[in-house]
Amino acid sequence: QVQLQESGPGLVRPSETLSLTCTVSGDSITSFYWSWIRQSPGRGLEWIGYISYSGTTNYNPSLNSRVSISIDTSRNQFSLRLTSVTAADTATYYCAKIISGWIPVWWGQGILVTVSS
Amino acid sequence: DIQMTQSPSSVSASVGDRVTITCRAGQDIDTWLSWFQQLPGKAPKLLIYAASSLQSGVPSRFSGSGSGTDFTLTINTLQPEDFATYFCQQSKSFPLTFGGGTKVEIK
Repeated sequence: QVQLQESGPGLVRPSETLSLTCTVSGDSITSFYWSWIRQSPGRGLEWIGYISYSGTTNYNPSLNSRVSISIDTSRNQFSLRLTSVTAADTATYYCAKIISGWIPVWWGQGILVTVSS
Repeated sequence: DIQMTQSPSSVSASVGDRVTITCRAGQDIDTWLSWFQQLPGKAPKLLIYAASSLQSGVPSRFSGSGSGTDFTLTINTLQPEDFATYFCQQSKSFPLTFGGGTKVEIK
């Protein structure tokens, strides 16, 4: 059974870069697609983007200029970077495994990231 | 972006009731529609995919229907563990988008 675990700082200063890592266990990251999704009271669930095992990415155009997702197959991890954050980026961030049909089937437990000075 | 609109935003029900939640897509998405359940403080859990296919391990009291723009999630014989928030999600095109959620509360 695949398990995903997000890690990273829970507090980020405005204008700085949010960096999170998702560690995958019970499955190889060299299959399907791996995604970041966030959730906030004001914006609901928002898909951020995905990366394939080969490094192909697809980002939400609303974040496209600020977001990047990378993958480290040797560590079975993938990561999110979101630059120039503001209070609007305060959310619980989830990593997820996407299978055929572009469905996020398995999710991490989520990590709350607050943007504040 | 394909907008997903759920109704109602909340519903009060009792154990044993049947609950129906509706999701409307802003354009035709065939059956590229999934339903998720989210318990407080937990990640969303996949219930239904392809509009009407039950995810492995999900109780049969959950069912989904619809195609095109109008979809329904039905919970038959509501159980105590079903009081949660439910979301629809389209995967017809990127960016993937979610509905705003329907909270099923205890009456």
